[in-house]
Amino acid sequence: AQKITQTQPGMFVQEKEAVTLDCTYDTSDPSYGLFWYKQPSSGEMIFLIYQGSYDQQNATEGRYSLNFQKARKSANLVISASQLGDSAMYFCAMRVVGVLTGGGNKLTFGTGTQLKVEL
Amino acid sequence: DAGITQSPRYKITETGRQVTLMCHQTWSHSYMFWYRQDLGHGLRLIYYSAAADITDKGEVPDGYVVSRSKTENFPLTLESATRSQTSVYFCASSESVGVGTEAFFGQGTRLTVV
Repeated sequence: AQKITQTQPGMFVQEKEAVTLDCTYDTSDPSYGLFWYKQPSSGEMIFLIYQGSYDQQNATEGRYSLNFQKARKSANLVISASQLGDSAMYFCAMRVVGVLTGGGNKLTFGTGTQLKVEL
Repeated sequence: DAGITQSPRYKITETGRQVTLMCHQTWSHSYMFWYRQDLGHGLRLIYYSAAADITDKGEVPDGYVVSRSKTENFPLTLESATRSQTSVYFCASSESVGVGTEAFFGQGTRLTVV
């Protein structure tokens, strides 16, 4: 079975500083994808960034980058130059096709990290 | 409108009543998912569907029923609502197989069972 762990229920960061949100995952399937979603107070789920298990480079999307350490099974989200609008809940998620493990292409989420950006 | 829409956005129901949450997507995506979001639990998968007439249980399926007679619709029914089913429900869809396939979410339905 797949599992995503986010150990930081809440984080604070000063505006313009960088912040790292932790995510570790567990799967026995060699092929998987890792995602980060943002959920502002309005409630919608916004896709931020994706990393494939076979990707050699860490993914980047503007101010977002994914620090992918395969051996440690971690996929931390780094937000550079934090802005007040970054205050939100952030979810790490994993998708496993599951040819070997019967994952069934499900998308499994962690419990989330609430980020608060302060002036 | 293109996209994925959920209805209703807000619902209050009584314990024991049957309630159906609707989900409609216009992309003809093969995969559709139902999640519930609760504080401290993140998003937990209730049911998912790989195609019309193909559904499977997720992590927390008890008390819920789904159907998918058409690709674009994936309704979720609470057969006899309980207070523990008070939650925010999200529907999502994605294209067919591929670990890199992004899921698109509806706006969510806030359900309160009294």
